[in-house]
Amino acid sequence: AQKVTQAQTEISVVEKEDVTLDCVYETRDTTYYLFWYKQPPSGELVFLIRRNSFDEQNEISGRYSWNFQKSTSSFNFTITASQVVDSAVYFCALSERDNYGQNFVFGPGTRLSVLP
Amino acid sequence: DGGITQSPKYLFRKEGQNVTLSCEQNLNHDAMYWYRQDPGQGLRLIYYSQIVNDFQKGDIAEGYSVSREKKESFPLTVTSAQKNPTAFYLCASRLGYNEQFFGPGTRLTVL
Repeated sequence: AQKVTQAQTEISVVEKEDVTLDCVYETRDTTYYLFWYKQPPSGELVFLIRRNSFDEQNEISGRYSWNFQKSTSSFNFTITASQVVDSAVYFCALSERDNYGQNFVFGPGTRLSVLP
Repeated sequence: DGGITQSPKYLFRKEGQNVTLSCEQNLNHDAMYWYRQDPGQGLRLIYYSQIVNDFQKGDIAEGYSVSREKKESFPLTVTSAQKNPTAFYLCASRLGYNEQFFGPGTRLTVL
């Protein structure tokens, strides 16, 4: 069965610190997709990134970077030089190719607070 | 602009009443989803639909009903059978194996 674990329930950092949000997943499928979403206080989930299981290349987008390691079943998210606007709940999600439809599984989320 | 709209943003219901939450998308996505989120919690799947006139129960379907008569629309009815309906409801759509796109959500409060 597929599962997503985000062990960090809440993280607090001071502005300009770097912070890494952990995501560990479980799947039996050989082809799958991983996602990160941001949920600011307004409530709407904002899509950040999608990664295919066959593409282990790490990605950087501005202050955001993602480290995908199949060997440890992890897809961690790092924010460099954090800002107050980064304060939100961040969700990691997994989707299996062979279980299309119901298969979009979200982790429990990590609440990030960036203090000025 | 393509996107997902949900209405109303805030909804108040008296106990024993049925209410319907609207979700519309103009992204031409085949699949649509309804999630429930309680304060400080994650997302729980209520119902999903992969094609028109077909939908499947998610993890917490009891007390809810849906319809999918048009590709663009996936309304959710919260019935009186739902014992604790106060929550934040999110609608999403998806094309193939791509990411889900979410609407702004509806906050339902039972008075």
